[in-house]
Amino acid sequence: QQQVKQSPQSLIVQKGGISIINCAYENTAFDYFPWYQQFPGKGPALLIAIRPDVSEKKEGRFTISFNKSAKQFSLHIMDSQPGDSATYFCAARGGDGNKLVFGAGTILRVKS
Amino acid sequence: GAVVSQHPSWVICKSGTSVKIECRSLDFQATTMFWYRQFPKQSLMLMATSNEGSKATYEQGVEKDKFLINHASLTLSTLTVTSAHPEDSSFYICSAQSIDYEQYFGPGTRLTVT
Repeated sequence: QQQVKQSPQSLIVQKGGISIINCAYENTAFDYFPWYQQFPGKGPALLIAIRPDVSEKKEGRFTISFNKSAKQFSLHIMDSQPGDSATYFCAARGGDGNKLVFGAGTILRVKS
Repeated sequence: GAVVSQHPSWVICKSGTSVKIECRSLDFQATTMFWYRQFPKQSLMLMATSNEGSKATYEQGVEKDKFLINHASLTLSTLTVTSAHPEDSSFYICSAQSIDYEQYFGPGTRLTVT
């Protein structure tokens, strides 16, 4: 049972555009929502994370928007660059031994 | 800070042999480490949770006798794939949990079984 649903599967954005990736969850015990960036052949790296007590968090060009009532959160990449081309995973954590539950991933390609 | 290393980065072994993968937290102590498996174009699948000084907890469907995990110190966990077969070929990634429960991931190990 997939506990975190991520969309879209793939995304093509022009350089300078905004990339938006969405995730939805069901388990209300989740209390921590990180986003990871993974380049081919590498491990995932933490990009930005949010807790449900805030609705938005911004770090540089990356912003998480969080809607607790809808149980949805999204990643916005402003001024997308070719170097942002990677696979992005949303995740959620809460209870259950601090395990992370990952979304299916979104392959982002930024065209120059 | 919060660097996690894995060794080797890639390994090729023959069917029926065993291979050991090391995961080290270089600049912090980790009482808990996690092992994941990732197939091409798929998400990370948690295999097991490794706690220092105790037996690992395996996820449903993961053969504990095939994937041996040892967490002998606060900075080292090892995954041994025993009697490897071609279907075990995959990308194995570890993560180490810091004191604030953040997971820091290693660079991964590409295993190819021929």
